[in-house]
Amino acid sequence: GAGVSQSPSNKVTEKGKDVELRCDPISGHTALYWYRQSLGQGLEFLIYFQGNSAPDKSGLPSDRFSAERTGGSVSTLTIQRTQQEDSAVYLCASSFGTSEQYFGPGTRLTVT
Amino acid sequence: GIQVEQSPPDLILQEGANSTLRCNFSDSVNNLQWFHQNPWGQLINLFYIPSGTKQNGRLSATTVATERYSLLYISSSQTTDSGVYFCAVTGGSYIPTFGRGTSLIVHP
Repeated sequence: GAGVSQSPSNKVTEKGKDVELRCDPISGHTALYWYRQSLGQGLEFLIYFQGNSAPDKSGLPSDRFSAERTGGSVSTLTIQRTQQEDSAVYLCASSFGTSEQYFGPGTRLTVT
Repeated sequence: GIQVEQSPPDLILQEGANSTLRCNFSDSVNNLQWFHQNPWGQLINLFYIPSGTKQNGRLSATTVATERYSLLYISSSQTTDSGVYFCAVTGGSYIPTFGRGTSLIVHP
């Protein structure tokens, strides 16, 4: 079946603008994760959704970041008032329960 | 939170050579994964291996949960093996935590 998809693949925005990044998980997967990867670095956990439970937001770096997951499927990560340090690749993953995670191709965000 | 450390940070091999990558973690885990990030940035699942040994072609992995480490073996390396290899504790009691990765370059 289809894997995890993300859109857009690339996003260039001006400092101070808001951006929305989308993730479509694998059908039937109950968990969805957002990560951030800065150039040459490892992956930084941002937020985790599991079924109907309250999301684990412990990795969000500031209150400018938020995410929602509608209908237990598609998720949107929103960054308000973007800053240059927000430039990174944003990766989404999904899993069934807490088992093996599968990653999407990522969205490369550049804040100018 | 849990600490995940990978070694070596960088590795350069000649095509055909074998290598071992190591991942140490600071507490007992229920879930552990190995990924390969290719030069285009895509993360490819290699192994989901909370314990025991698995093999897939030229790659194999072993996790000794009681001693808090996992090993990834690459045999007869090829240029297409180049990229960054990540070990990650995913799920269970901890937020998902990735190591800093091992950057592998395989020369023809």
